[in-house]
Amino acid sequence: GAGVSQTPSNKVTEKGKYVELRCDPISGHTALYWYRQSLGQGPEFLIYFQGTGAADDSGLPNDRFFAVRPEGSVSTLKIQRTERGDSAVYLCASSPGRGGQRFFGPGTRLTVT
Amino acid sequence: SQQGEEDPQALSIQEGENATMNCSYKTSINNLQWYRQNSGRGLVHLILIRSNEREKHSGRLRVTLDTSKKSSSLLITASRAADTASYFCATDGRGGGADGLTFGKGTHLIIQP
Repeated sequence: GAGVSQTPSNKVTEKGKYVELRCDPISGHTALYWYRQSLGQGPEFLIYFQGTGAADDSGLPNDRFFAVRPEGSVSTLKIQRTERGDSAVYLCASSPGRGGQRFFGPGTRLTVT
Repeated sequence: SQQGEEDPQALSIQEGENATMNCSYKTSINNLQWYRQNSGRGLVHLILIRSNEREKHSGRLRVTLDTSKKSSSLLITASRAADTASYFCATDGRGGGADGLTFGKGTHLIIQP
């Protein structure tokens, strides 16, 4: 079956603009995770959904970041008033339930100019 | 914050040799996972070892876990050029947030043909 997909694969935006990043998890996976990875670093946790609800959003860096998963499948990560420091690869992952192996998407490379 | 720390940060070996990477962590865990990443994009799950296991094998991969030393190692035998990638350990913790999966900074492995 299809794996986790993310769109767009690359996004270039100007400082101060609003962006949305989309994640399509594996069908039937109830858990969905967003991570952010800067160059030379490991992925850093942002937010975790179980079904439609955000079970843990402790990794979101500030209130410019927000994520939704309204129907328990597709998720959108929203970043307002982007800053150059937001430039990174944003990774989405899903798993059948909480914990265990995560299945990662290819990521969205965000560049803020 | 990142709990796992991989060692070495970079490793270059000849094709056919064995590659060993180490990971240390700080808090108690449910399990420890190893992932591979090519070209800074999506991560691929390699192996999961539970806290009550000491060793696990999968093909050319061998993972050990020493919970008393809070350390793990990943051994890749008979390396191939296609094994060139970054390798990350990730701990699935007992006491962390609902997500619980924390990545290290990774080991960049280069296999010389």
